Amino acid sequence: GAGVSQSPSNKVTEKGKDVELRCDPISGHTALYWYRQSLGQGLEFLIYFQGNSAPDKSGLPSDRFSAERTGGSVSTLTIQRTQQEDSAVYLCASSLAPVGSGFEQYFGPGTRLTVT
Amino acid sequence: AQTVTQSQPEMSVQEAETVTLSCTYDTSESNYYLFWYKQPPSRQMILVIRQEAYKQQNATENRFSVNFQKAAKSFSLKISDSQLGDTAMYFCAFFQGGSEKLVFGKGMKLTVNP
Repeated sequence: GAGVSQSPSNKVTEKGKDVELRCDPISGHTALYWYRQSLGQGLEFLIYFQGNSAPDKSGLPSDRFSAERTGGSVSTLTIQRTQQEDSAVYLCASSLAPVGSGFEQYFGPGTRLTVT
Repeated sequence: AQTVTQSQPEMSVQEAETVTLSCTYDTSESNYYLFWYKQPPSRQMILVIRQEAYKQQNATENRFSVNFQKAAKSFSLKISDSQLGDTAMYFCAFFQGGSEKLVFGKGMKLTVNP
């Protein structure tokens, strides 16, 4: 079956521009996660959704970052006024997970964001 | 806050050899989950193996097995009969219900040579 998909695969943007990154989770997966992978910081949690609500936004690095999920499916991560330190690979994962279950998270291929 | 430490940044082995990747973690909780994920150059994170902390039996998946030492907070991954396709970054990760997020180690680059 189809896995987690993300678009675009690569994005190059100029400093100060806004970008939107999209994640399509596996159908039926109620939990959705965003992570950021950078050379300096490794893999960092950004935000997670259970259905359409985001109980934990603690990982968002600044108020320039926001995310939403609609219809319990597609999620969009938006970065406003991008900075060079935002350059990283943004990974999305989904899970067929009751809260606290520790079920496997299935990852997408990521979006590589480069801010010039 | 939970932390995960992978002290070996890089290892290389010959095909068919056995290799062990180390991971330690820090938590005050008693119920949690541990994972090893593999990330090949394609960037796709793939689950290798999962361990539930309340289970004493070590998890195994074909050529992959773990040595889970709860008291020592150690979770090492053993890869038997290494194959070229095992070449990848390997990440150890911790999950606790309630926080609902994976906490990753810095990763270890494994190269399997022919």
